[in-house]
Amino acid sequence: GAGVSQSPSNKVTEKGKDVELRCDPISGHTALYWYRQSLGQGLEFLIYFQGNSAPDKSGLPSDRFSAERTGGSVSTLTIQRTQQEDSAVYLCASSHGQVSFGNTIYFGEGSWLTVV
Amino acid sequence: AQSVAQPEDQVKVAEGNPLTVKCTYSVSGNPYLFWYVQYPNRGLQFLLKYITGDNLVKGSYGFEAEFNKSQTSFHLKKPSALVSDSALYFCAVRDSREYGGATNKLIFGTGTLLAVQP
Repeated sequence: GAGVSQSPSNKVTEKGKDVELRCDPISGHTALYWYRQSLGQGLEFLIYFQGNSAPDKSGLPSDRFSAERTGGSVSTLTIQRTQQEDSAVYLCASSHGQVSFGNTIYFGEGSWLTVV
Repeated sequence: AQSVAQPEDQVKVAEGNPLTVKCTYSVSGNPYLFWYVQYPNRGLQFLLKYITGDNLVKGSYGFEAEFNKSQTSFHLKKPSALVSDSALYFCAVRDSREYGGATNKLIFGTGTLLAVQP
């Protein structure tokens, strides 16, 4: 597609349930990122995928969070045993090359997660 | 540690007047700097970036930003504001490792809410 596509756009879940958030990057983009945006924390880096390299998971806040990227394209962010503090907007982004070389990251519309 | 600061939570300007949204940074090595805009209930949209070259960078929707190395600033500007420019603006910098070398993360400022009044 023309841009980064995320689903669902909105998700309300009960505390303790697992959720999966999906991201389809811009076609041809080799790098994929997940960020979290919340009122108290601003924009936080979660995880980064680049081609077949091992992902940079340094931003994942706990072992309840995991992500995978299948076939170098679509990515799924999974949150297990959700807590109320997980309520946030989860933003996926992609880039044609690496940010370390100055490439631009393009963001999706986000998945709004509410844990009740 | 690398950081970026947006000292103003909110900026108000009258339509037709020039606007400035401030950003300062602290990085080791050469800074790669970015501006993004977020409209209500939307994702972030890329406006412009500075990697190298001319200090004045032109971007989307008539915005520009000036890189000032001595003041470690990268302020976003527009000569004539529109009501439709009202949104949340984020400055970001490429992260670097403490022992040198760049990472593939962007560190974002806390955002500045721009309100353009008719």
